[in-house]
Order: sequence, then structure tokens, then C-alpha cells
Amino acid sequence: EPEVTQTPSHQVTQMGQEVILRCVPISNHLYFYWYRQILGQKVEFLVSFYNNEISEKSEIFDDQFSVERPDGSNFTLKIRSTKLEDSAMYFCASRPDRAEQYFGPGTRLTVT
Amino acid sequence: DAKTTQPTSMDCAEGRAANLPCNHSTISGNEYVYWYRQIHSQGPQYIIHGLKNNETNEMASLIITEDRKSSTLILPHATLRDTAVYYCIVNRDDKIIFGKGTRLHILP
Repeated sequence: EPEVTQTPSHQVTQMGQEVILRCVPISNHLYFYWYRQILGQKVEFLVSFYNNEISEKSEIFDDQFSVERPDGSNFTLKIRSTKLEDSAMYFCASRPDRAEQYFGPGTRLTVT
Repeated sequence: DAKTTQPTSMDCAEGRAANLPCNHSTISGNEYVYWYRQIHSQGPQYIIHGLKNNETNEMASLIITEDRKSSTLILPHATLRDTAVYYCIVNRDDKIIFGKGTRLHILP
């Protein structure tokens, strides 16, 4: 069964550094999402992406964040200058038209 | 904010049916009821969804009241692997707004 994959599973970075989190959505899906979950808290929506552009973003998704679909398969989340409070699990999700979302296993980002 | 209300936690004996309630009194006519679960910091996993009619798949059943203001997720024979946080979500092909969900403990 096809699934969403994410790399790396765990990323440790120093404050102020740039990180890129990678996702490979399910191949025939059209809509792509990033969510994050700070330890012990709710899963929070960050951004949705469709037809090669952002369709919606949350207040969390400020100028430090960007997303890209550089080729036909990858979907990336970049954080330009990480802060301590960016430490969280980051989940990628995708869906076909008018259907449920499929989530990846997540990337644990630790900012020190 | 999430548009649903769920109990914070529930217990269920292994092998019994787990019935998880959800209130969504402000649901609009074109919004679906979705259920996801999250097993210990893994990615959320889709379970089932419905609009008006009751639905069943290999994982669970979804019972939606006639007025659509509440629903119940039923796991027919709960196992220890069903221990997770279960999220009831009202959605229409859009971003998911997660609430705190119900933490379901399956007891051996």
C-alpha cells in the first residue's frame, strides 16, 4: 500500500541554522500539507499546497518558513533560521481530490 | 478552534467494543465527519468518515445521528494496539484542525 514518507526521521540543529524537511507524498495525490506537533500539545496546521502554490497558511507559518515542490515527487519544508520553539514533530500529509489525508511518520526536529 | 467536543479519556477492555462519542452541533450541511487516530507520536492515521449515513470499513463503524449533531466511532473488538488518541474532526476537503481528542486506553 502506498504511503507518505519523510526524511530524516530525526534532525538536530543549532539555533539560527537552516533546515529542510523532506516529504514524498503518495504519487497520484494533488494536495499537500505540513503540520507540526510540539511535545505534549495538539497537532497544528502549518500550510497547504495545491497546483504548485500555497493555498492556505496558518499564523505559525511566518516568513521563516517556506515550502517547495522542486520536482514531481518531493515536497519540502524549509525553516530559514531555526528557533528553540521550532522544536517539534513535523508531519507531512497528502490527499487526492475530495478525500481523507494520509500522514507521514514525521520528522522530529530538535533545535539546541 | 476545533468544532467538536470529545471526552478527554476513556477505558475499554480488550476484546470489547469501544464506543467513542463526539459532539459537533455546529456542523454545516456540506461538512463531513472524519475520525483519525494517533498512536504515540506517530503520524495521524485516517480511520473513517461520513456525511449523513452510517459507514463501516475494516477498521471501524461510524454512527451519525439523524440531525448530524453528534456521532460515535465504534471499534468492534478493541485490541491493545488500538490504544491511541482518537480525533473527531469536522472537515470539507480542507486543512484539519485537530482538537485534543479522546485518549483511549485498552485494558488487558
